[in-house]
This record gives sequence, structure tokens and C-alpha cells, in this order.
Amino acid sequence: DAEITQSPRHKITETGRQVTLACHQTWNHNNMFWYRQDLGHGLRLIHYSYGVHDTNKGEVSDGYSVSRSNTEDLPLTLESAASSQTSVYFCASSEYAGTSGNTIYFGEGSWLTVV
Amino acid sequence: RKEVEQDPGPFNVPEGATVAFNCTYSNSASQSFFWYRQDCRKEPKLLMSVYSSGNEDGRFTAQLNRASQYISLLIRDSKLSDSATYLCVVNPSKYGGSQGNLIFGKGTKLSVKP
Repeated sequence: DAEITQSPRHKITETGRQVTLACHQTWNHNNMFWYRQDLGHGLRLIHYSYGVHDTNKGEVSDGYSVSRSNTEDLPLTLESAASSQTSVYFCASSEYAGTSGNTIYFGEGSWLTVV
Repeated sequence: RKEVEQDPGPFNVPEGATVAFNCTYSNSASQSFFWYRQDCRKEPKLLMSVYSSGNEDGRFTAQLNRASQYISLLIRDSKLSDSATYLCVVNPSKYGGSQGNLIFGKGTKLSVKP
């Protein structure tokens, strides 16, 4: 079955370190997204991509970067981890069809703690 | 006014009860609407889309009121397994296709008790 996987699922890192969260989907979806979810804020969009070599900033992109070198992967990099980036991160994907009704499928989440 | 607002709850209801959640959105040009379900420490999953004419899926009924800019979700005959957080999701894009513009509400927590 097609799926979307994230790794690592849990990570503890130190302030100032670079961290990369991997996201891999096997649906051949054009659209991929990264969200973070925090108590009191709900899901907030970090970055998104509509296809290979396309990346766009979301609502809370500062301190994060992404690259899209193929259809399947959208890794999220924290250039210099900060305690404010402690959160659960969800990767998601959807099929591009030019309509707004496409279902977004989420990965299982990556719990990141910055100490 | 926040873009998508939901009552955070929690809604504590007995099994078999009927419960309704409302969600309001601020962008009158919003084109598509959804309800997602999220279990504790799990990823959100699509529960149902919300259509202008209203739609039903088993015990779940979703309604859209464009004039008042709100969406509702009705759950009949609540089950223990319905316990979760329900997220209201709005795509404010006039032209559709812009999945990056999805706006998620903070969610309403439902707890169904025996």
C-alpha cells in the first residue's frame, strides 16, 4: 500500500544543532507539506512544495528550510535548532488535480525536543 | 477575528448521545471545507468533506452555512471510539488547487464516556 513515512519519529537534540526530518511518500503525489502542531496553536504550515524543485514558505517558515529533488521526498531542515522549535512535526502529501477537494494524507509525526 | 475558530471543548458526552460541533471562518471567499479527526498522539485523518448542500456519512452529518460563515458536524449515537479531536479545515483559495492555503482550526476535543 502507498504510504507516507517520517523519520525519525522521536528525536532529542541540543540548541544550535542542525536537524533534518525526513519525509517519504510512495503515492507519487505532487504536493507535499510540513506542519508543526503545538498546544494552543493547532496545525501551522511551515513549508510546502507543488512539485520537484518547487518550494514555498508557509506561515511559520523562519528557521526552517526544505528542498525537493524528487517527487517522493521533502526533508525539513532546522538550520540551528532552538527551544521554540520543540514540537511535533507532520509531513503531508496530496495529489495535484487543480481542484481544492483533494485529500491531504499525513505522516505519523516526528516528535522533536530541543534542549 | 481568527481565520478558523472552534470551541476547544472538551465535550464530555455519554455513549449514544448526539453531539454537535460548530466552526466559524473569516474569509467569505473560502471554497472548500473539511472535517478531520485526530486521535491522541496520532496524525489527522480526513473524516469528511463539507458540501454546500450538506452531506451525511453514517452517523456523521456535515453542514455548511455560507451566509453565516460556519460549518457544523453532527455525530449521532456517539460511540466510545468517537473520542478524538475534530479539526475544522478551510481552504480560503478562490480558485482551488492551492493546498498550501489550508487553514486548520485548533480542534474540538470529544470524550465519549460509557
